[in-house]
Amino acid sequence: DQQVKQNSPSLSVQEGRISILNCDYTNSMFDYFLWYKKYPAEGPTFLISISSIKDKNEDGRFTVFLNKSAKHLSLHIVPSQPGDSAVYFCAATPLNAGGTSYGKLTFGQGTILTVHP
Amino acid sequence: GAGVSQSPRYKVAKRGQDVALRCDPISGHVSLFWYQQALGQGPEFLTYFQNEAQLDKSGLPSDRFFAERPEGSVSTLKIQRTQQEDSAVYLCASSYGAARDNSPLHFGNGTRLTVT
Repeated sequence: DQQVKQNSPSLSVQEGRISILNCDYTNSMFDYFLWYKKYPAEGPTFLISISSIKDKNEDGRFTVFLNKSAKHLSLHIVPSQPGDSAVYFCAATPLNAGGTSYGKLTFGQGTILTVHP
Repeated sequence: GAGVSQSPRYKVAKRGQDVALRCDPISGHVSLFWYQQALGQGPEFLTYFQNEAQLDKSGLPSDRFFAERPEGSVSTLKIQRTQQEDSAVYLCASSYGAARDNSPLHFGNGTRLTVT
């Protein structure tokens, strides 16, 4: 079963506009969420994260929003730039669930973002 | 270099052949993870090391998969008697602290394994 889902395989946005990437999860034990960005032939690179005690975290052009009741998070990129074109992965972990949990990440399938000049 | 290094970058194996994939984590990083990424999918957890101790191998798909990190630095993922369904990109990631410390994972560029 897919515990982390990114239902949009791709997204196309004009340069300067906002990009919104969405992610849904099913496991209520997840309490820490991350976004990774991946260019072709490279490994994923960490972008931004959010703990379940917050509903928003901002870092420059990137903001992540968390809606715990809906088990939904989103990544906003404003303004979008052509260099942002990449695959974006949402990931989640039961960091503080205790027991054997320790930060193992569960990833979504990814969304291909294309930002047109 | 300062990043996570994986070798080889590409590996083509005939079905039934054994392969060994190497990961050099960032120096001093305590935690090391292996992930498998099939085409069009997100990475999936295989196994986790804290220093030389393999604390979780629950993601290894079969007993043909074996990982080690004998001295707490370099790690090797070995796949015996490769099958076509093993074709994927194998990603190694390391982090400074124990996995509970929220240290972000640093990924290598992966090894693309193709089994023919």
